[in-house]
Amino acid sequence: EPEVTQTPSHQVTQMGQEVILRCVPISNHLYFYWYRQILGQKVEFLVSFYNNEISEKSEIFDDQFSVERPDGSNFTLKIRSTKLEDSAMYFCASEPDSYNEQFFGPGTRLTVL
Amino acid sequence: EDQVTQSPEALRLQEGESSSLNCSYTVSGLRGLFWYRQDPGKGPEFLFTLYSAGEEKEKERLKATLTKKESFLHITAPKPEDSATYLCAVHPQGGSEKLVFGKGTKLTVNP
Repeated sequence: EPEVTQTPSHQVTQMGQEVILRCVPISNHLYFYWYRQILGQKVEFLVSFYNNEISEKSEIFDDQFSVERPDGSNFTLKIRSTKLEDSAMYFCASEPDSYNEQFFGPGTRLTVL
Repeated sequence: EDQVTQSPEALRLQEGESSSLNCSYTVSGLRGLFWYRQDPGKGPEFLFTLYSAGEEKEKERLKATLTKKESFLHITAPKPEDSATYLCAVHPQGGSEKLVFGKGTKLTVNP
């Protein structure tokens, strides 16, 4: 059964460093998402991506964040200058069409020291 | 503001002891309601989608139902492997594609 994959599973970085989180969505899906979950809190929406551009973003998704689909299969989230409060699980999700179920990857645990 | 509230926050059951989890939502309009299962340190795993009041979906020991203001996830004769956090999420109307999640109910089933 097709699934969303994410790498790395755990990333430790120093405050102020740049990180890139990688995702391979399910083939033939059209909509792609990043969410995050701070320990013990709700899953929060960050950004949605469709037709090679951002379609929606939350207030969390400020200028420090960017997303890219560089080669038609990978989908990346870049944080330019990490802060302590960026420590969280980051989930990638993909969706076959709009307003359908979203399928989530296993997540990347980001720890900012 | 769109909101999803789940109760209880945590639930302990004995194996075979049936119960229900609640998800109440306040949205401007509902395109869909989703139930996910999340194991510790893992991503949400899709369980069900419900689109309209009165709709029911079943999978093994789980049954999800939907009314105009809430959804229930009924667990019949649970087993220890059903232990997980169950998340409810909604797709509000109005053009947004994001899912709005509740905080989840952590279910523990003791053998």
